Amino acid sequence: EAGVVQSPRYKIIEKKQPVAFWCNPISGHNTLYWYLQNLGQGPELLIRYENEEAVDDSQLPKDRFSAERLKGVDSTLKIQPAELGDSAVYLCASSPTGTSGDTQYFGPGTRLTVL
Amino acid sequence: AQSVTQPDIHITVSEGASLELRCNYSYGATPYLFWYVQSPGQGLQLLLKYFSGDTLVQGIKGFEAEFKRSQSSFNLRKPSVHWSDAAEYFCAVGAGTGNQFYFGTGTSLTVIP
Repeated sequence: EAGVVQSPRYKIIEKKQPVAFWCNPISGHNTLYWYLQNLGQGPELLIRYENEEAVDDSQLPKDRFSAERLKGVDSTLKIQPAELGDSAVYLCASSPTGTSGDTQYFGPGTRLTVL
Repeated sequence: AQSVTQPDIHITVSEGASLELRCNYSYGATPYLFWYVQSPGQGLQLLLKYFSGDTLVQGIKGFEAEFKRSQSSFNLRKPSVHWSDAAEYFCAVGAGTGNQFYFGTGTSLTVIP
């Protein structure tokens, strides 16, 4: 079974530029999560999708971040414009359902560096 | 509010020695508890999880964890550490509707020969 796929693995951009990250969850997983992981910290949830619906985006900085999950499968997370403080690892995870306690399976992440 | 504390930022052990990584959580109801491992440049891999029942949980790679409700702890153990166990370890609690995960800040493990 293929795991969660993310691309690109690394991205270096200059501040004020836009950037996008792509995630393909495990086949059949209805719930998709985007996390932000700062250096030396644990992941923090940005947004959670149930199929194509964003059901929890309370932690997403909506002035510059946006996300979509068209057709309830792949998802894209976008930052526009990027700031220096956005340098971090962006992790995507999926689970079969959004039921409490359901195991989340993580992708390898995208490491973003903003110069 | 839910939270997870991993008191040890960094631990160094000798190869072959035993290991215990501490995790304390704060949650009003019975928690779902997880341990993940993250190798450099990699995503998080699930080691084990606790939902209910037996408080001693076995995981992959020879790891185990014990849930102690009275201490609000879920410590990870391994009887004999291998050099390949060097990584970052995260404890997480899954709580509330929507399977919200709350992670600790992680413990970095170094294994010396």
